[in-house]
Amino acid sequence: EVQLVESGGGLVHPGESLKLSCAASGFTISASNVNWVRQASGRGLEWVGRVRSKAKNSATEYGDSVKDRFTISRDDSKNTAYLQMNSLKTEDTAAYYCKVHDSANRVDYWGQGTLVTVSS
Amino acid sequence: IVLTQSPATLTLSPGERATLSCGASQSVSSNKLSWYQQKPGLAPRLLILDASTRATGIPDRFSGSASGTDFTLTISRLDPEDFAVYYCHQYATSPLTFGQGTNLERK
Repeated sequence: EVQLVESGGGLVHPGESLKLSCAASGFTISASNVNWVRQASGRGLEWVGRVRSKAKNSATEYGDSVKDRFTISRDDSKNTAYLQMNSLKTEDTAAYYCKVHDSANRVDYWGQGTLVTVSS
Repeated sequence: IVLTQSPATLTLSPGERATLSCGASQSVSSNKLSWYQQKPGLAPRLLILDASTRATGIPDRFSGSASGTDFTLTISRLDPEDFAVYYCHQYATSPLTFGQGTNLERK
């Protein structure tokens, strides 16, 4: 069974940092892009960013609202991706999901989400 | 690329046909647009990729189409489990974007 498990969420103050992890099992992420998507309570989906596969130089891309504050990375030896969030703002409060697309099987794998709350 | 979904809310009964629209502000290269279904408290579920290809395990009552910058998700006969929020998503151009969603609610 394929699972993506996010961890690392919690309550932080504005300006602080947090690092989320996305650990995969039952599926090897090395050939896949790993995306992070967030969703504030009662709101729609927002693409945060992605790290491409090593074959594409692990290039990273980000949404405009998080660029220069968030960094996505991957460690294929641990089958895990990361989202480092710095200079957090109250508007970053959301559930954060990691997502991987399995092209061979035409399916997405999503984690269960981890909640980040930024509040003073 | 800004994706605009319409309508915001669609109220229908089981057995009816649902037509959801997603308009892109510019061309979506190679029709790299997908559709997701999301139910409360759950992660989104991929329905359609590349505008018209059903994801694995998705019933054939779901279909997608494209015409220029306009994309459509059609559910031919609504099943009670289909009432949810639907999002379109373009993955052709960074930054990737989602539409704001269509809430498909039961009459």
